[in-house]
Amino acid sequence: VVMTQSPPSLSVTLGQPASISCRSSQSLVLSDGISDLAWFQQRPGQSPRRLIYKVSNRDSGVPDRFSGSGSGTDFTLKITRVEAEDVGVYYCMQIRHWPHTFGQGTKLEIK
Amino acid sequence: EVQLVESGGGLVQPGGSLRLSCAASGLILSNYWMSWVRQAPGKGLEWVAHINQDGSEKYYVDSVKGRFTISRDNDKNSLYLQMNSLGAGDTAVYYCVQWGNANYWGQGTLITVSS
Repeated sequence: VVMTQSPPSLSVTLGQPASISCRSSQSLVLSDGISDLAWFQQRPGQSPRRLIYKVSNRDSGVPDRFSGSGSGTDFTLKITRVEAEDVGVYYCMQIRHWPHTFGQGTKLEIK
Repeated sequence: EVQLVESGGGLVQPGGSLRLSCAASGLILSNYWMSWVRQAPGKGLEWVAHINQDGSEKYYVDSVKGRFTISRDNDKNSLYLQMNSLGAGDTAVYYCVQWGNANYWGQGTLITVSS
């Protein structure tokens, strides 16, 4: 399954919103109707960290300015108000099909 | 505090072998699916291999099938990756990853395949 993210990079003013799109080449819907899609953040020099699982569930400790949405083949990660600590690369990942696959990443920087 | 600590990385010649280990603390590894994810220098993330709780199910990305073997020793709370026939394309930081309601990553161990 090919995961395609857009844009490859975005430059956002502090306090402004940001949105990242992720599209899968096959449906990610499970038998329960939920899509198995996760979002990860990788800050510079750090290991990745999961932000969102099953499309829209925030991991513990993830600020509520992060939200995920979508179903089937089209998904979105939104940040309502970008903060300096949000700088890094964001990846979507599908966990519905073997092998699991990541998007190519979206680099977020502060304008 | 949950910690996943990888070891076994280093420089290896093309065609060589390495065995990575991941030692877990603060969680009982036998409760979780585990995987290895790698990241080539300056590149994105690539899922490599996955193993279920008792080791009876294993999955691999096509590029490592037949060369890499994922395994676990739940008594030692550890995960392993045996890597054979290594090539330049395997050069990367390898992360040990735990999957569940929470998700933990190790700090990664660098494998460099070069003559």
